[in-house]
Amino acid sequence: EVQLVESGGGLVQPGGTLRLSCAVSGFSVSSNYMSWVRQAPGKGLEWVSVIFISGSTYYADFAKGRFTISRDNSKNTLYLEMNSLRAEDTAMYYCLRGAPAGQWGQGTLVTVSS
Amino acid sequence: DIVMTQSPLSLPVTPGEPASISCRSSQSLLHSNGNNFLDWYLQKSGQSPQLLIYMGSNRASGVPDRFSGSGSGTDFTLRISRVEAEDVGVYYCMQTLQTPHTFGQGTKLEIK
Repeated sequence: EVQLVESGGGLVQPGGTLRLSCAVSGFSVSSNYMSWVRQAPGKGLEWVSVIFISGSTYYADFAKGRFTISRDNSKNTLYLEMNSLRAEDTAMYYCLRGAPAGQWGQGTLVTVSS
Repeated sequence: DIVMTQSPLSLPVTPGEPASISCRSSQSLLHSNGNNFLDWYLQKSGQSPQLLIYMGSNRASGVPDRFSGSGSGTDFTLRISRVEAEDVGVYYCMQTLQTPHTFGQGTKLEIK
């Protein structure tokens, strides 16, 4: 059975750091392109970052220089390291297995507040 | 960046009636390999999004055949042949041709 399980969210102060994890089962994280997508409370979906099978990584402008996407093939886990967090980064963060599978995790909530 | 524009943003539908959602991109999503890099997702209340259609017109596994996708280039449509109560939620189109990948604003389908 395919599962994507995010963790690592929580309450963090502005300027703080969090590392999100997405533990994958049922497929290999290295054999699919994997993305992070976020959703602020009451808002639409916003793409954050992607790591392709090749290992190439890309970011939304708001994430460049602050966020880092990576994967650990031995642990079959996707990560998102987030630094210099701002109030506007408050959102539910989802990991996404690219189409044609198009599977999402349940999300992990990040709240940036003092 | 490729801008995705959906319409309408709100769609009240009577059960059993058809529904359609438009998604337009600011640049063509047609790849040289012949595929359109356009996916449709449905997010039901309190849930993660679920894939309905990929590459413009391919129904994802387990998706009822009342859902269909069409279009090419910059104009795409998601159609529901006969809306059911369980189809309520917010529908998003997403382009994956270029980074940054981008979503439409979302279309909220509700039952009349």
